[in-house]
Amino acid sequence: EVQLVQSGGGLVQPGGSLRLSCAASGFTFGSYWMTWVRQTPGKGLEWVANIKPDGSDKYYVDSVKGRFTISRDNAKNSLYLQMNSLRAEDTAVYYCARDLPSTHKNFDYWGQGTLVTVSS
Amino acid sequence: EIVLTQSPATLSLSPGERATLSCRASQSISNYLAWYQQKRGQPPRLLIYDASNRATGIPARFSGSGSGTDFTLTISSLEPEDFAVYYCQQRSDWLTFGGGTKVEIK
Repeated sequence: EVQLVQSGGGLVQPGGSLRLSCAASGFTFGSYWMTWVRQTPGKGLEWVANIKPDGSDKYYVDSVKGRFTISRDNAKNSLYLQMNSLRAEDTAVYYCARDLPSTHKNFDYWGQGTLVTVSS
Repeated sequence: EIVLTQSPATLSLSPGERATLSCRASQSISNYLAWYQQKRGQPPRLLIYDASNRATGIPARFSGSGSGTDFTLTISSLEPEDFAVYYCQQRSDWLTFGGGTKVEIK
């Protein structure tokens, strides 16, 4: 059974840092693109970043470039999102997701989500 | 950025009725459109990809159609578990989501 189990998240002050983790099981993690998507009541669903199976290519939405870093450890079947210089507008539920292999950029499995709140 | 506009914002229907949801793209996206279902407190669930292909395990009552700029998700006969929020998503020019349509019980 494919599972993505997230950890990390919580309350952080503006300008602070946080690291999200996503532990994968039930599939060959190192063969899949992986993605972070966030959701807010106001802006809805927003793609944040994704990473190639071998970690060699990474892409980010403009609003997080230079502040967030996506990474993966295929030996540990884990995906990460390091978030620095956090802003109030980064407050959201963050999901990790597996890319559908036939299409890439569609997501067939999702983590349970983790809430990140940026507030003083 | 390609903008996806979903309509209506809310659809009030009874179980057994047919639901028709619309997603319009601000420019042509060929058939690179997916549909997701999201229930409260849960992550989105992939229903349809590339406009008309059902994802694994999705019941046949869900169908998708369209190409270019206009797309439709149809639920042929609503089951109680289908009342949820539905989102469209394009992958033609990077990746964006629509604002969602809530299907509620009338």
